[in-house]
Amino acid sequence: AQSVSQHNHHVILSEAASLELGCNYSYGGTVNLFWYVQYPGQHLQLLLKYFSGDPLVKGIKGFEAEFIKSKFSFNLRKPSVQWSDTAEYFCAVSSMDTGRRALTFGSGTRLQVQP
Amino acid sequence: DSGVTQTPKHLITATGQRVTLRCSPRSGDLSVYWYQQSLDQGLQFLIQYYNGEERAKGNILERFSAQQFPDLHSELNLSSLELGDSALYFCASSASGGFETQYFGPGTRLLVL
Repeated sequence: AQSVSQHNHHVILSEAASLELGCNYSYGGTVNLFWYVQYPGQHLQLLLKYFSGDPLVKGIKGFEAEFIKSKFSFNLRKPSVQWSDTAEYFCAVSSMDTGRRALTFGSGTRLQVQP
Repeated sequence: DSGVTQTPKHLITATGQRVTLRCSPRSGDLSVYWYQQSLDQGLQFLIQYYNGEERAKGNILERFSAQQFPDLHSELNLSSLELGDSALYFCASSASGGFETQYFGPGTRLLVL
């Protein structure tokens, strides 16, 4: 069964610091990869997604992620965080090969940005 | 706003009771997914429906069931509730139930006392 690991459970940064959140998945076949964000008290919103093509994906609000197939990774980055980026971030995967369309989520990373 | 609506927003009930959670997908979306978010289990997939038919099952308990109606709204029924069922239940929808983006609703927060 596929699984997703997010190694950083809680990250605290100051405004303007750079961000990188790790995401590794276990499945070796063809996958679709997603990053979702959950602001306090709100629902999950899609930040960016990778289906195929350029492994460097740009999303909303200045976020980007890089798919490295050899490392089974899809790390999320932002060059300069803002206080408004305080939220929980979830990496998710769906597998093309197994036909599993439902998302398998990582455990989430809580980001706290201090002004 | 994702276009996915869920009711109620909050639900407080007692152990042993039964509740129904409702989800309306985005206009035009045919597939609905249900997920459970709890502190100990994280975000887990429960079940998927596509155009009224069950398509996939995840970690859904036998005490839980769901259906999708002809107007494409979906209901998740939770029965014989236990304390451990307290969680946030999300509904998501996608256009065709394939490998496209899923859009999430605001969730229903269930508290079982």
